[in-house]
Amino acid sequence: EIVLTQSPGTLSLSPGETVTLSCRASESIDRDYLAWYQQRPGRAPRLLIFSAYARATGVPGRFSGSGSGTDFSLTISGLEPEDFAIYYCQQYGRSPSLTFGGGTKVEMK
Amino acid sequence: QVQLQESGPGLVTPSATLSLTCDVSGGAISAGFHWGWLRQPPGKGLEWIGAVYHSGISYYNTSLKLRAAISVDTSKNQFSLRLNSVTAADTAVYYCARHHKGGTTGFFYMDVWGKGTTVTVSS
Repeated sequence: EIVLTQSPGTLSLSPGETVTLSCRASESIDRDYLAWYQQRPGRAPRLLIFSAYARATGVPGRFSGSGSGTDFSLTISGLEPEDFAIYYCQQYGRSPSLTFGGGTKVEMK
Repeated sequence: QVQLQESGPGLVTPSATLSLTCDVSGGAISAGFHWGWLRQPPGKGLEWIGAVYHSGISYYNTSLKLRAAISVDTSKNQFSLRLNSVTAADTAVYYCARHHKGGTTGFFYMDVWGKGTTVTVSS
């Protein structure tokens, strides 16, 4: 099973700042099949990125994904108040396995 | 626009079977996607439970040790989860979600989620 490690656990930032979240895999993810989700308090997760860099429908352009192999990133360029949330990465490179990272919380300073 | 809505008991007795249903609206469940369940224990991360295709072919997280079963009812445009022999460790928010398959060799990511339903296992 591929283990995903997200770092850091928590980030304290101000609106307008740019942040890059990290997701590292224990082994290479086939075809860079990695997704990112946002979860606001009390809400269901929301798909932001799939296939490492493809934005899901309706996701603002300030969210961008990058990376390949074992190292992936999610960048939020100019934090909006609604972006303060927990972000999870998820790999789906090899059937029949999918796993999530432990999440990074982006909190308001 | 496809929407999902979970329903089922909020309280389940230990050793009993947890049963949840997900109603799909705004699209046909037989439209070519997979449909499945995830859960999130209080204060913890996400865990994938399993998924089913409208043909009935299903996939499960092996960590659940065969306790889970997901079925689909195309006539009602809904799918269901049964999880037997529950313990307090099964207390969580349960989400149903539409699953997208990553090509021919990849597995799933989830692009549409229900709002979630809280299930507590307690006597």
